Amino acid sequence: KNEVEQSPQNLTAQEGEFITINCSYSVGISALHWLQQHPGGGIVSLFMLSSGKKKHGRLIATINIQEKHSSLHITASHPRDSAVYICAVVSGGGADGLTFGKGTHLIIQP
Amino acid sequence: DAGVIQSPRHEVTEMGQEVTLRCKPISGHDYLFWYRQTMMRGLELLIYFNNNVPIDDSGMPEDRFSAKMPNASFSTLKIQPSEPRDSAVYFCAISRRGAGGYTFGSGTRLTVV
Repeated sequence: KNEVEQSPQNLTAQEGEFITINCSYSVGISALHWLQQHPGGGIVSLFMLSSGKKKHGRLIATINIQEKHSSLHITASHPRDSAVYICAVVSGGGADGLTFGKGTHLIIQP
Repeated sequence: DAGVIQSPRHEVTEMGQEVTLRCKPISGHDYLFWYRQTMMRGLELLIYFNNNVPIDDSGMPEDRFSAKMPNASFSTLKIQPSEPRDSAVYFCAISRRGAGGYTFGSGTRLTVV
């Protein structure tokens, strides 16, 4: 079973700061997902990665398959970015279910 | 999310009662997943379906849990009898092969007292 570790568990930063959240996993994967969960509880899919880097607005996600490591970056952070960010992996060759990290609770203070 | 509708949003029930959670995927999909989220264990996969066929139910905690997908537009997760330790938020999610990404429903918050 794949073990997914995220760091940090909790992060508080000031508005405008550059944010990095890290994710590592133990077994080779077919894809890695970054999810966002807001205080209301809804979960939104941010990125799916199998290699390289993706960018959407102020969010950037990278993955290093050899190192079994991914990072999620937020540039020019804003209080509305406050949420739990969850890393999840798909281990199988198909669309197997996700294995989740415990999440990073991010608070951006104005 | 418009792609997946879950009902009810909240359910409070007494221990021993049967609970049925519902999921209606609106957008196209090949896969449907049921996940459970608790403070202690985070998000966990319970079961998933491919083209309405159950593929992996190894995450289903016990025989008290069962899931069905009679057609592409509807799935249920049933707990009978319910226990306080089943209290959690249950999410339904869909994905499409080749399209990437998941669409999650808003979840059902279950409280068993």
